[in-house]
Parts: sequence; C-alpha cells; structure tokens
Amino acid sequence: EPEVTQTPSHQVTQMGQEVILRCVPISNHLYFYWYRQILGQKVEFLVSFYNNEISEKSEIFDDQFSVERPDGSNFTLKIRSTKLEDSAMYFCASSRQGDRETQYFGPGTRLLVL
Amino acid sequence: GENVEQHPSTLSVQEGDSAVIKCTYSDSASNYFPWYKQELGKRPQLIIDIRSNVGEKKDQRIAVTLNKTAKHFSLHITETQPEDSAVYFCAASEAGTALIFGKGTTLSVSS
Repeated sequence: EPEVTQTPSHQVTQMGQEVILRCVPISNHLYFYWYRQILGQKVEFLVSFYNNEISEKSEIFDDQFSVERPDGSNFTLKIRSTKLEDSAMYFCASSRQGDRETQYFGPGTRLLVL
Repeated sequence: GENVEQHPSTLSVQEGDSAVIKCTYSDSASNYFPWYKQELGKRPQLIIDIRSNVGEKKDQRIAVTLNKTAKHFSLHITETQPEDSAVYFCAASEAGTALIFGKGTTLSVSS
C-alpha cells in the first residue's frame, strides 16, 4: 500500500540556520499538508497546499516558513531561521481528489534546534 | 476557528474491557471527524472516521458515534487488547480543510 515518505527522519540544527524538510506524498494525491507536534502535545496544522499554491495556513505558519513543490513528486517545508521553539516532529500528509478529507500522514521528521 | 476538546487525557483498562474516548467541537460547519492512533515515535494512523451525514460507524472492534446537535463524537473500542495501547487523537475539519486535533488520550491496556 502506498505511503507518504519523509526525509530526513531526524535533523539537528543550530538556532538561526535554515532547514528544509522533504516529503513525497502518495503519487495520485493532489492535496498536501504540513503539521507539527511538539513533544507530548497535540498535532497542530501548519499549512495546506493545492494546485501549486497555499490554500490555508495557521497562525504558526509565519514568514519564517515556506512550502514548495519543486517537481512532480516532492513537497518541501523550509524554515528560514530556526528558533529553539521550532523543535518538534513535523508531519507531512496528503489526500486525493474525491476524498480530500482523508489525510494520510508520513512518518515525520524530528527537528531539534540547539 | 475550530476548537476540539478531548477527554480523558489518560485511560487505563484491563484487557477485554471497553474503552470510550470523547471529543467535543465548537464549529458547527465541521463535517468530518477522524480518529488517529499514534504509537510511540510513529506516524498518526487513521483508524476510523465519520462524516456528518451519519450518526454511527463501526469497524470490527472500533466504533464512532456522532451527535451533531450536541457537537460531540466518541470512539468506542470493545474487547481491548494490549496492542490497542497507544495515544488516540480525535480531529475535526470542514470539507477537507485543516484537521484540528484534540490533545490526545493515552490508552493503556493491561493484561
């Protein structure tokens, strides 16, 4: 069964550095999402993306964040200048046309900002 | 915006017992309510979902009920097994927009 994949699984970075988290959504899916989960807390929505543009974003998704679909398979989340509070697990999710509600999650990237 | 409250935060049951987790939501426009199971260090896995045009849905030992008037929905797990131990999250969304999650319930099933 196809799954969403994410790389890297873990990333350690210094405060102020840029990071790019990568996701490969399920191949026939057209809706893409990023969520984050701070350790021990609930999953929080960051942004959704469809037809090469952001369709919705949360208050968390400020100017430090950006998303891109650079080619036909990858979907990336960039954090321009990381802060300590960006440390979290970042999940990518995708859903397909005709069943947009059902979102399938990737395994996550654990980001640690020192 | 939508707000989802989930109770209890922890739940301990004996193997074979039933477990019930409850969620309430605030936005009457929400019409999709999934439940995710998350084992330690792993991705959230969709286990069951319900849309606002039905009141109950069942899949083997798992069932979900929805009360649109009261804006609450519940997950019922019967005949619990140790492998059901995990964190369970409810969520709500409107027509495929952002999933808004509850804070999670840590279910422990002891044998």
